[in-house]
Amino acid sequence: EVQLIESGGGLVKPGGSLRLSCAASGFSFNNYDMNWVRQAPGKGLEWVSSISSSGAYKYYADSVKGRFTISRDNAKNSLYLQMNSLRAEDTAVYYCVRDDYGGPGVWGQGTLVTVSS
Amino acid sequence: QSVLTQPPSASGTPGQRVTISCSGSSSNIGSNYVYWYQQLPGTAPKLLIYRNNQRPSGVPDRFSGSKSGTSASLAISGLRSEDEADYYCAAWDDSLSGKVFGTGTKVTVL
Repeated sequence: EVQLIESGGGLVKPGGSLRLSCAASGFSFNNYDMNWVRQAPGKGLEWVSSISSSGAYKYYADSVKGRFTISRDNAKNSLYLQMNSLRAEDTAVYYCVRDDYGGPGVWGQGTLVTVSS
Repeated sequence: QSVLTQPPSASGTPGQRVTISCSGSSSNIGSNYVYWYQQLPGTAPKLLIYRNNQRPSGVPDRFSGSKSGTSASLAISGLRSEDEADYYCAAWDDSLSGKVFGTGTKVTVL
């Protein structure tokens, strides 16, 4: 069974940092591009970042460029999102998503990040 | 802000057909595949349609997708109470070099 399990969310003060992790299982992780997608409370979906299967290519939404860094460790079947200089507007559920058929396919259950003083 | 525009809501009675539109531009829908997602209350989104009109295994054939120019549509036929959810479209955007989601449509079964 394909599983994506996010962790690392929590409460952080504005300007602080947080590192999200996503543990993948049930598939060949190193064959898939991966994404982070977020959803603010009561709002719609917002793509955050993507990384190619090898880690060579990375893409970011303008709203997080320069503050967030996506990475992966294929040996550990894990995806990461390092979030720095966090703002109140970064408060959201962050989903780890596997690309399928060229677009976001399998979704994890998400981890909540709250940025508040 | 989202670059793909959807109507905020849609509704129908059980058995009816409901259609949701997704309007974009030449840099996203006009030149790339469209994907559709269903998000039931309190759960993670689920892929419904990929590459404009393809269904993953397990998705009922009541759900169908289409694309024309810079717009796409999701149709739900034979509407059922369990279809009550939020629906989102998505596509790659060449100008932004990133993925974009639609504004989302809440479907209500009357």
